[in-house]
Amino acid sequence: GQNIDQPTEMTATEGAIVQINCTYQTSGFNGLFWYQQHAGEAPTFLSYNVLDGLEEKGRFSSFLSRSKGYSYLLLKELQMKDSASYLCAVDDSNYQLIWGAGTKLIIKP
Amino acid sequence: ETGVTQTPRHLVMGMTNKKSLKCEQHLGHNAMYWYKQSAKKPLELMFVYNFKEQTENNSVPSRFSPECPNSSHLFLHLHTLQPEDSALYLCASSQERAGGPTDTQYFGPGTRLTVL
Repeated sequence: GQNIDQPTEMTATEGAIVQINCTYQTSGFNGLFWYQQHAGEAPTFLSYNVLDGLEEKGRFSSFLSRSKGYSYLLLKELQMKDSASYLCAVDDSNYQLIWGAGTKLIIKP
Repeated sequence: ETGVTQTPRHLVMGMTNKKSLKCEQHLGHNAMYWYKQSAKKPLELMFVYNFKEQTENNSVPSRFSPECPNSSHLFLHLHTLQPEDSALYLCASSQERAGGPTDTQYFGPGTRLTVL
């Protein structure tokens, strides 16, 4: 079967760094997406990785290792507004998005 | 700010009611999607439309009936729902669904549906 694993919940401190992991077992791989979803709001696109390595976008970076079936989202200089759920999704061999259940990130002052 | 709007934002209905959810995108996209989001579960893809044609139906019960009159509008008609259908229903759009790698999808804020 196809599976995406993410931690259910994480807590971090304002100003710190947090890494949210995503591991996947899918039938093929055509890219991995990260989305942010604030409570009661639309998921918004953060990043897309299709090749191994690190993609940096301001305070957010996303890493991919296809051989390990692993990605992480790195958030630096955490702000209170970063409190949200972070969704990982893999584009499989049939170009179907397989979604994780999301990681709820709680930022404390 | 979002290019995808959904109405209503909240809906409470009885099991015998008929209601419709509406989605509109202002991004010039050609593919539109309906998803169901339940608490602590992955997003479930329900339907996909590409250039107004339904291309995917992921074994969704017939009490959910989609309609796509044009590339900018998408409806989900609801009839005789069950309490377990209570969830957040998200609409999304993307450039198109061309049989290749998935384009980035842009989501609306969702309709929070409660079935009594």
